[in-house]
Amino acid sequence: GESVGLHLPTLSVQEGDNSIINCAYSNSASDYFIWYKQESGKGPQFIIDIRSNMDKRQGQRVTVLLNKTVKHLSLQIAATQPGDSAVYFCAEKSTGGGNKLTFGTGTQLKVEL
Amino acid sequence: DVKVTQSSRYLVKRTGEKVFLECVQDMDHENMFWYRQDPGLGLRLIYFSYDVKMKEKGDIPEGYSVSREKKERFSLILESASTNQTSMYLCASSLGESSYNSPLHFGNGTRLTVT
Repeated sequence: GESVGLHLPTLSVQEGDNSIINCAYSNSASDYFIWYKQESGKGPQFIIDIRSNMDKRQGQRVTVLLNKTVKHLSLQIAATQPGDSAVYFCAEKSTGGGNKLTFGTGTQLKVEL
Repeated sequence: DVKVTQSSRYLVKRTGEKVFLECVQDMDHENMFWYRQDPGLGLRLIYFSYDVKMKEKGDIPEGYSVSREKKERFSLILESASTNQTSMYLCASSLGESSYNSPLHFGNGTRLTVT
């Protein structure tokens, strides 16, 4: 069946370094992708999204890259800070899927001082 | 900012009880969703609603029902709680079909324990 997954369950980075969190998806009909951040005890928080007609989108300290050829999505966080420590989820929506999202299981980002 | 409010952060219920989880959003969103989140399984969709009095089953609707009598409120009902329904429940909302690609905005969750 279709699935959205992540390469690494845990990522540790030094404060100030850049972080890259990866996500693979298998549904070629996916046309919209979202990254969420979930801190302990809170619900997922929207970070950034990208449509399938784009390869790259930038926000504040974050960049999302989409490679449709290999069905790969990544989230880059510049100058990682302790407050970035959280679980990060990718989610995808397929054409004709209405507003239903399929979520990956998440990557735990740990920022070391 | 969108605010999605879930009425309880923590609930403890007994097996067989009827349980109501309430969710309210303040941004006039058409779509509302209920997910459950379990370790290693990620977020799984239980039910969703595109409009008042409308509901559709998600991926794991068994043992649950929903109610949407007003646009801003979406309730999840466990008719007879069981221990395998112990989980974190997350409510979310989003704009409707006029804004096809719009993100979901989540509440902070209700952690339900069924004993």
